[in-house]
Amino acid sequence: DIQLTQSPSFLSASVGDRVTITCRASQGISSYLAWYQQKPGKAPKLLIYAAFTLQSGVPSRFSGSGSGTEFTLTISSLQPEDLATYYCQQLNSYPITFGQGTRLEIK
Amino acid sequence: QVQLQESGPGLVKPSQTLSLTCTVSGGSISSDSYYWSWIRQPAGKGLEWIGRIYTSGSTNYNPSLKSRVTISVDTSKNQFSLRLSSVTAADTAVYYCARYNAGQHRRSFDYWGQGTLVTVSS
Repeated sequence: DIQLTQSPSFLSASVGDRVTITCRASQGISSYLAWYQQKPGKAPKLLIYAAFTLQSGVPSRFSGSGSGTEFTLTISSLQPEDLATYYCQQLNSYPITFGQGTRLEIK
Repeated sequence: QVQLQESGPGLVKPSQTLSLTCTVSGGSISSDSYYWSWIRQPAGKGLEWIGRIYTSGSTNYNPSLKSRVTISVDTSKNQFSLRLSSVTAADTAVYYCARYNAGQHRRSFDYWGQGTLVTVSS
């Protein structure tokens, strides 16, 4: 199985801050990586697929980059509604796996 | 707009079989390039992919659950289902169904159900 390791696991930042979350894969996954946002009590929501393509309707302050084994999710200017847990996911090979999550707190 | 809705018992006894159905609306379950998946999430923990099915009936399961999982599809009802046998308390979780967009440069779970809590307890 391909392991995904996110860092940090917890992040506290202020409104307006630039925030970066990293996802490292245990082996190369090309660009088959997606990012999800999960707010408390809700289903995950797709933010980015193919490592850097923004899903329709997602604010442009979210962006993704990377390929191979290292990927990043960046929020350019943190907003109060970005309070959530963020997960990366690899879809390069089965079984599909998720990172352990990064919980984002607004200071 | 595609919508998915999970349904099934919220309480299952240990050693019994958990059964859930996901009803898809706003689109056909038989559409090309889409697979249909189940994912679960224990309280306070991360996401675990359970498996997926294609409209043809072909499946792929997480090896960690493979011996206990069956996913099936009913195209006439636009539904797919999950059966997990010999459940224990460790199977208590919120269960989600989702559409897996397997397009070459679009691989992602683009639509999700709201999730349903299944508790395993006597």
